[in-house]
Amino acid sequence: QKEVEQDPGPLSVPEGAIVSLNCTYSNSAFQYFMWYRQYSRKGPELLMYTYSSGNKEDGRFTAQVDKSSKYISLFIRDSQPSDSATYLCAMKVEGQNFVFGPGTRLSVLP
Amino acid sequence: DGGITQSPKYLFRKEGQNVTLSCEQNLNHDAMYWYRQDPGQGLRLIYYSQIVNDFQKGDIAEGYSVSREKKESFPLTVTSAQKNPTAFYLCASSIVGSGANVLTFGAGSRLTVL
Repeated sequence: QKEVEQDPGPLSVPEGAIVSLNCTYSNSAFQYFMWYRQYSRKGPELLMYTYSSGNKEDGRFTAQVDKSSKYISLFIRDSQPSDSATYLCAMKVEGQNFVFGPGTRLSVLP
Repeated sequence: DGGITQSPKYLFRKEGQNVTLSCEQNLNHDAMYWYRQDPGQGLRLIYYSQIVNDFQKGDIAEGYSVSREKKESFPLTVTSAQKNPTAFYLCASSIVGSGANVLTFGAGSRLTVL
């Protein structure tokens, strides 16, 4: 079993839809949870990060962490064609390196 | 603007050749990292360095080498010992200390072996 699992997609949605992206993990010691967005042939850019459990909102993006289920989610409201990218989840234990999921490829169709 | 510069963006290598990928940052970050990205796989850590003149192996260091002579620079050499070097290589940096220490990435270098 991989330490961090993520559905690779591709996920195609119409413009304006609510998108839900998810990761599951096996290491209960993870404390920091990140979501990165990566456009084709570019480096990942940080979207959001959360510490421990709970929700965090930033504009159209909401990140949720459920440590009891070892499950994290990223919601995108009012999705736009410019949101079409690969979304990577990443997580870490204090003092250790990040572990990345394989990424979910999202296409938002106009 | 502060950021990470990777070069070259595209690189072609013949089998048996060593190649060096450049990574320079002006973010004043102490830590620098090299990741490899293959389709369908998460980013895999090759090497990282938290201080000048010191570096550690990551999960897939075999066939790679690095140096950290300056805080701003962390070049990666892909040697002929790397059996399957065709991949997208990403350099990143972060602060060092307690907390999330989020990674800032460069734009990547795509290496193709002919």
